[in-house]
Amino acid sequence: GENVEQHPSTLSVQEGDSAVIKCTYSDSASNYFPWYKQELGKRPQLIIDIRSNVGEKKDQRIAVTLNKTAKHFSLHITETQPEDSAVYFCAASIWYSSASKIIFGSGTRLSIRP
Amino acid sequence: NAGVTQTPKFQVLKTGQSMTLQCAQDMNHNSMYWYRQDPGMGLRLIYYSASEGTTDKGEVPNGYNVSRLNKREFSLRLESAAPSQTSVYFCASSDHGGPSYNEQFFGPGTRLTVL
Repeated sequence: GENVEQHPSTLSVQEGDSAVIKCTYSDSASNYFPWYKQELGKRPQLIIDIRSNVGEKKDQRIAVTLNKTAKHFSLHITETQPEDSAVYFCAASIWYSSASKIIFGSGTRLSIRP
Repeated sequence: NAGVTQTPKFQVLKTGQSMTLQCAQDMNHNSMYWYRQDPGMGLRLIYYSASEGTTDKGEVPNGYNVSRLNKREFSLRLESAAPSQTSVYFCASSDHGGPSYNEQFFGPGTRLTVL
């Protein structure tokens, strides 16, 4: 089955700097890669996702890149702000016409230093 | 529109006791999921239901059973709780079509402690 590895497990960056979180997946059939943000004590929420037919996607300060050949995908946050402090999860899934199983990485705790 | 709701929010059980975690969604989604979240382990899929009347095992199904009661409700049952099942349990739902293929909408979670 699918396995998703995520690193680093913790990341501390200066406010205003960029943060990068990397993930690898094992199943070459995976075709959908979402990223979720979970603030302390809250539920995870989708922040950005990418499909396997796209190499990069941006949404304001957040971007995700996908390298299908290497089975790598990454989250990039630019101009980090205090509200970016949270745990971030990558995930991979195979999307069919019905439900797909989403397998999550183990998470990255991002801290933004003032 | 409440989204995904879960009950209870907190629960303490003794080893061997049973309980059912309830989940409901009002977004008319076809698919529903149960995850557990342990420190440093991320979210692990326990069971999921692609549509009403179907259920499938996820990564960590042992010790759990599920019921997709109708399109809105998906329950998770622990028949004989064990300390290893101490965790935060999240229910989620999703639909297909639209700009996000499979965005999962999560409930607020149930914090379960098994003594």
